[in-house]
Amino acid sequence: EVQLVESGGGLVQPGGSLRLSCAASGFTFSSYNMNWVRQAPGKGLEWVSYISSTSSTLYYADSVKGRFTISRDNAKNSLSLQMSSLRDEDTAVYFCAGGYSGYDWFDYWGQGTLVTVSS
Amino acid sequence: SYELTQPLSVSVALGQTARITCGGNNIGGKSVNWYQQKPGQAPVLVIYRDVSRPSGIPERFSASNSHNTATLTISRAQAGDEADYYCQVWDNFFHVFGTGTKVTVL
Repeated sequence: EVQLVESGGGLVQPGGSLRLSCAASGFTFSSYNMNWVRQAPGKGLEWVSYISSTSSTLYYADSVKGRFTISRDNAKNSLSLQMSSLRDEDTAVYFCAGGYSGYDWFDYWGQGTLVTVSS
Repeated sequence: SYELTQPLSVSVALGQTARITCGGNNIGGKSVNWYQQKPGQAPVLVIYRDVSRPSGIPERFSASNSHNTATLTISRAQAGDEADYYCQVWDNFFHVFGTGTKVTVL
């Protein structure tokens, strides 16, 4: 059974930092490009960041560029998102999502972890 | 940046056909994917590469893509189809999601 399990969410003050993790199982993680997608309360989906299967290519949405860093460890089947200089507008449920390398859709999604940025 | 526009809501009678549009500049030249999201749940892929259905997705879900509009069609709508639907494309190093459409089955 495919599983993506996010962790690390919580309450953080504006300007603070947080590190999200995503543990993958049930599929060949190293063959999948991985992404973080977020959803603010009551809003739509917003893509945040992409990392290729070999970590050779990274992309970020303009809204997080320079503040967030995506990384992965294929040996541990894990994905991370280091978030710094957090703002109120970063408040959202953060999903990790994977797509088979070479394709541009998301086959697998985690259940999400909530990040709340508030003083 | 590339934008995808969807209607805020679509209503459909039980057993009838719902059509959800996704508008974007020359979207017909891109590969469009569609996701279904029910309240409190993660999105689920229902259409990929314009018209293909993943295994386990009913044939009632179909799609098309041409010129400036992609369309997701839900035939013989069921109560369980009530959800938010999002289109998505890859554009110049960015994934882009549509604004989302809430489908209500009456």
